[in-house]
Amino acid sequence: QQPVQSPQAVILREGEDAVINCSSSKALYSVHWYRQKHGEAPVFLMILLKGGEQKGHDKISASFNEKKQQSSLYLTASQLSYSGTYFCGTEVTGNTPLVFGKGTRLSVIA
Amino acid sequence: DTGVSQNPRHKITKRGQNVTFRCDPISEHNRLYWYRQTLGQGPEFLTYFQNEAQLEKSRLLSDRFSAERPKGSFSTLEIQRTEQGDSAMYLCASSLRRENSPLHFGNGTRLTVT
Repeated sequence: QQPVQSPQAVILREGEDAVINCSSSKALYSVHWYRQKHGEAPVFLMILLKGGEQKGHDKISASFNEKKQQSSLYLTASQLSYSGTYFCGTEVTGNTPLVFGKGTRLSVIA
Repeated sequence: DTGVSQNPRHKITKRGQNVTFRCDPISEHNRLYWYRQTLGQGPEFLTYFQNEAQLEKSRLLSDRFSAERPKGSFSTLEIQRTEQGDSAMYLCASSLRRENSPLHFGNGTRLTVT
């Protein structure tokens, strides 16, 4: 079942923060986050495993709330290079194909 | 690591024709996935292989679609009797077999059916 992402789109000025959410109605094993720039392939950002782990990647971090089956991606002090569409991909076991959400389009303007 | 390579990058075909796409994964990756992406949507799972074995196929996938990975290296995706609704970006991705391995995507093949 496809995870639900929110918001669908967000516009930020450089330096502002954003949060992107990914929710599932199923118990999840893990959540993957990818960023796709226009005309390019999705690029892996990070994996969150069940257990509420929080990870960081430069100024981009994420958490996974197992009770809510929700993951959140945090972008702090956004840069122009953060623009793109962010997808979460979920798996219910460690060996099932990822099911992706519809994406959140992030635009960072100067 | 030369990345995942897909050919062709673009394909325009007439309705009813057959098309075949090729994907060369990262050499040490034994899992290979095919996804389809339309405008404004996330990648939609089609099928995946572990080595040469096709382990899962989407229930939504028409019988006109077939994929192979004959020697556990490159893979081909064939669409027979193409329809306009098949127009999309077809993405290939590869990963290691172990759990929690990230997907490495190719740049895709954009199919336009006229």
